[in-house]
Amino acid sequence: SSELTQDPAVSVALGQTVRITCQGDSLRTYSASWYQQEPGQAPVLVIYGKNNRPSGIPDRFSGSSSGNTASLTITGAQAEDEADYYCNSRDSSGNPLFGGGTKLTVL
Amino acid sequence: QVQLVQSGAEVKKPGSSVRVSCKASGDSFNTSTLSWVRQAPGQGLEWMGRIIPFLGITNYPQRFQGRVTITADKSTSTAYMEMSSLRSEDTAVYYCAQERGGVFGVLISTWFDPWGQGTLVTVSS
Repeated sequence: SSELTQDPAVSVALGQTVRITCQGDSLRTYSASWYQQEPGQAPVLVIYGKNNRPSGIPDRFSGSSSGNTASLTITGAQAEDEADYYCNSRDSSGNPLFGGGTKLTVL
Repeated sequence: QVQLVQSGAEVKKPGSSVRVSCKASGDSFNTSTLSWVRQAPGQGLEWMGRIIPFLGITNYPQRFQGRVTITADKSTSTAYMEMSSLRSEDTAVYYCAQERGGVFGVLISTWFDPWGQGTLVTVSS
């Protein structure tokens, strides 16, 4: 399969931990990257290379993977983390492919 | 850190073409890889193709081959994405982004950073 599957919506209580997952066969070969997108804004890279954070991304964001599933974990979610999150890997042709996105609500 | 600045919003008629520009600051443009990604209203992200300005190499997914052309002007550090035969379904925000890659352990990784601010293209009669 060339798809990357994400749950459409996830919610988390303020200060709690949430895991956003991304499933796809390509994740056995290609490490996922993760993007945060706030309404009306461009996506922002939050995790790359399995568990690397760009400069300026809080350390409450972390990444992991196992088999065909990649995960983005936010430990101690803050109100400002409410956004859409997209995973990225490759399709069967080796082209970049994005998951359908997960809308995170912080309660 | 390179910054990407895109051209302004466009309104186009069905069947026409649009060209969106993406100007890079910094001196890494020629050795970088620039990709274009679009996002239809309320939808997810879709990769449209890439260019490596230094080599003049472009790649497109099958669904955009023949309708999308990505070029680069090394003298001005500007990449362009031109789409022809526009239809209403092409209404979207179009982003350019620098594509990077590496190997981490046994896994290959690619990522997009930074991104341009986006250009809204509206196709309407």
